[in-house]
Amino acid sequence: GQNIDQPTEMTATEGAIVQINCTYQTSGFNGLFWYQQHAGEAPTFLSYNVLDGLEEKGRFSSFLSRSKGYSYLLLKELQMKDSASYLCAVRALAGNNRKLIWGLGTSLAVNP
Amino acid sequence: KAGVTQTPRYLIKTRGQQVTLSCSPISGHRSVSWYQQTPGQGLQFLFEYFSETQRNKGNFPGRFSGRQFSNSRSEMNVSTLELGDSALYLCASHSGRAADTQYFGPGTRLTVL
Repeated sequence: GQNIDQPTEMTATEGAIVQINCTYQTSGFNGLFWYQQHAGEAPTFLSYNVLDGLEEKGRFSSFLSRSKGYSYLLLKELQMKDSASYLCAVRALAGNNRKLIWGLGTSLAVNP
Repeated sequence: KAGVTQTPRYLIKTRGQQVTLSCSPISGHRSVSWYQQTPGQGLQFLFEYFSETQRNKGNFPGRFSGRQFSNSRSEMNVSTLELGDSALYLCASHSGRAADTQYFGPGTRLTVL
């Protein structure tokens, strides 16, 4: 089957670094996305990985290991506004069909 | 570029009624995907349209339907509303090609009483 796992909740302190993990089991892997969703708002795109390695974008970085079915989102210099849910999504190919499979999200609370 | 727009933003309906939600994608995007989001269930995929054709469909009952127009705007309809249909309905705009990153609209919050 196709499955994505990520921790339900995490807590961190303002100014610190936090790593949010995502493991997946899919056939026809074709890319992994991270989105941020604040309470009551729509998800916003953070990053996309399709090859192994680290992609850095300011305070946020995302890592992918396709052989391990594993990704993480690294948030540095945490700010209070980073309190949100972080969604991992994997695109899977099946023939001509492409679909996004979503994790349930990791709710991150940043404390002062 | 203008972002994804969804109307209405909020809706209150009663059981048995039907509802139509609208989504206008980013200019130049030909794909629209619809999702239902409820607490604890995450994002549940409803369907995807590309160039007026339904390309993918999730596991929702036939009460949920959609369509896409030649200008890429999309509508989804839910008939015979049930209490469990209360949710945030999100529309995502994407190009339908290459990396195909999805960009979400603000959503329509539907409450069924």
